[in-house]
This record gives sequence, structure tokens and C-alpha cells, in this order.
Amino acid sequence: QVQLQGSGPGLVEPSETLSLTCTVSGGSINNYYWSWVRRPPGKGLEWIGYVHHSGLTNYSPSLESRVTMSVDMSKNQFSLKLTSVTAADTAVYYCARLNPLRSLGSYYYHAMDVWGQGTTVTVSS
Amino acid sequence: EIVMTQSPLSLPVTPGEPASISCRSSQSLLHSSGYYYLDWYLQKPGQSPQLLIYMHSNRAYGVPDRFSGSGSGTDFTLKISRVEAEDVGVYYCMQTLQGRTFGGGTKVEI
Repeated sequence: QVQLQGSGPGLVEPSETLSLTCTVSGGSINNYYWSWVRRPPGKGLEWIGYVHHSGLTNYSPSLESRVTMSVDMSKNQFSLKLTSVTAADTAVYYCARLNPLRSLGSYYYHAMDVWGQGTTVTVSS
Repeated sequence: EIVMTQSPLSLPVTPGEPASISCRSSQSLLHSSGYYYLDWYLQKPGQSPQLLIYMHSNRAYGVPDRFSGSGSGTDFTLKISRVEAEDVGVYYCMQTLQGRTFGGGTKVEI
């Protein structure tokens, strides 16, 4: 079955750019939306955004100005870049698949049904 | 942005007994399709989140039927008919009508 493996630096300096990659195995990255979610220490889950293999994106309004997501179909990977990071961006970052679970006629309802193991990122000098 | 509010923050439960978690949205989650755009997730200790319920009341694949979702408009409920020890963790509701927004979470513990 499909598995997701997140990877990237565990330590990022303040004001720098956080870059994470999620590798999809056991299935194709095509025809799905792919999402990023984070959980800061001691806090709840926060949705960051999603990207489609076509390049279509949708970002959280609170992070939109600093977030870029992309897909590399040749590597079956998708990625997250978050610029100008601060300590508030310290979190466990999860990648997830948005699966079209229910047809609603001309479109589908998607939900995050497969998740990566989580990548811990600390922002500190 | 749609704000999601869950209650309670913490829920002590007894195995074999029922439990319920409430989730309220700042605006109706009714989509033009006639369905409510709300999911429920569970994050067990040391694990990644997992999908429990999608589209308000549909159990995800492999989710036991003791879990059920209900509600309408802005008020939704996740019910566990008979709690088992493996159900401990933090439960989140999430709206999917406009982007996505999680509730603050409800910690369920024995």
C-alpha cells in the first residue's frame, strides 16, 4: 500500500528557509492532492496546505505569504518550503495524502487517509 | 477563516462506557452538495494522525463501528459507543469547506 516518508533538516536557523520533502512509495503521485500538517510542541494540529500533481495549490491564510509547495513527479516526491522561519515554526511536520473518497458528481470529496511518520523541525540558532 | 472549537479539552473515559466529543464551527459547514464538510482525526500517543470520519458521518476504511459522527449546521459530535483502551489519544475535528482548519483537540484518557 501507499507509504509516505518525510525527510529534511531537523534544525533550521531563524530567518532561514525550512525545506521538507515527502517521498511516496507503493503508488503514484499522479491524480492526488498532497498535504502538509504540523503540530507545534504542546499544541494541536495545524493545516499548512495542499498541492496537486498539476501544480494547483491551496495554503492556510496564516502561512500563505511564506509557504510554497510543489510536486516532482519524476521522483514521486512533493515538497514544502517555509521562508523566514521563527521559533514559532518549531513543530513536527506531517505529510499526508488527500484521497478522493466520495464522488459528488463532477468532483470528489478528499480526506487525509495516509500519513507520513512526521519530521521534527526545530528552529534555533 | 472558519474557526473550529472543540469541547471538552480533556475527557476521562471508562472502558466499556460511551463517550462523546463536541465540535462547533464559526459558520455552517453545509456544502452546496448537501453534505457537511467535516472530518474527524485521532492522534494516538507517539503516532501520526489517522482519519476516523469523513464528510461528517462516514467511517474511514478499517475504523470500528463503535465510532460515529453526527450533527448539522455548526454543531457536530463524535461518539464512541463503548470505549476501548486503544481509543486513547487526541481527537480533532477539521472543517474542509474553506481550505482546512482543525479544532483545538480533545485529549481522551482512561
